Amino acid sequence: LAKTTQPISMDSYEGQEVNITCSHNNIATNDYITWYQQFPSQGPRFIIQGYKTKVTNEVASLFIPADRKSSTLSLPRVSLSDTAVYYCLVARYSSASKIIFGSGTRLSIRP
Amino acid sequence: DSGVTQTPKHLITATGQRVTLRCSPRSGDLSVYWYQQSLDQGLQFLIQYYNGEERAKGNILERFSAQQFPDLHSELNLSSLELGDSALYFCASSLETGSTEAFFGQGTRLTVV
Repeated sequence: LAKTTQPISMDSYEGQEVNITCSHNNIATNDYITWYQQFPSQGPRFIIQGYKTKVTNEVASLFIPADRKSSTLSLPRVSLSDTAVYYCLVARYSSASKIIFGSGTRLSIRP
Repeated sequence: DSGVTQTPKHLITATGQRVTLRCSPRSGDLSVYWYQQSLDQGLQFLIQYYNGEERAKGNILERFSAQQFPDLHSELNLSSLELGDSALYFCASSLETGSTEAFFGQGTRLTVV
């Protein structure tokens, strides 16, 4: 499993765009990049997943460069309710799936 | 609401005791994962089951065991409990065994006193 590195914490303000970058230098060909969001005392929530280039859904965008050694989660126009921990993880589809979470990025949004 | 149901929501028990945590996955999901989250350790993957069979194992202690039943619900059994076992225990489910899009329950908060 590829190890991921992301900032421990980030601060931003309401209405701003927030970009959280994750490094995964040892990503394998069959690995997908997945982001989760977790609020205190709640289970993580799947946000977005991608393999290469750009993926966008109603919540976020995920940018993956050609070498796939990093990825950036982009949250447009954040609000106070986006304050949470964001996890980047790299995993592959296989018959034995370990979805391993790293330390995550604690995002704080201020008014 | 993720569709994953965990019971009980809270559990307080004494050291040395045994408890069972229950998880009902989303309708149609065949894969179940168990995680432990304590303040100082983050989310730790414990074990995964797919359609009744164990598929992947993480840092699960020998005092802990799990199973997935024919109706696909799963139970996590924790025995000889220690103070350090106090944590949030999450169950997640996914449709396929290899999917990384998992849906998490609200967790069971276990307090060992």
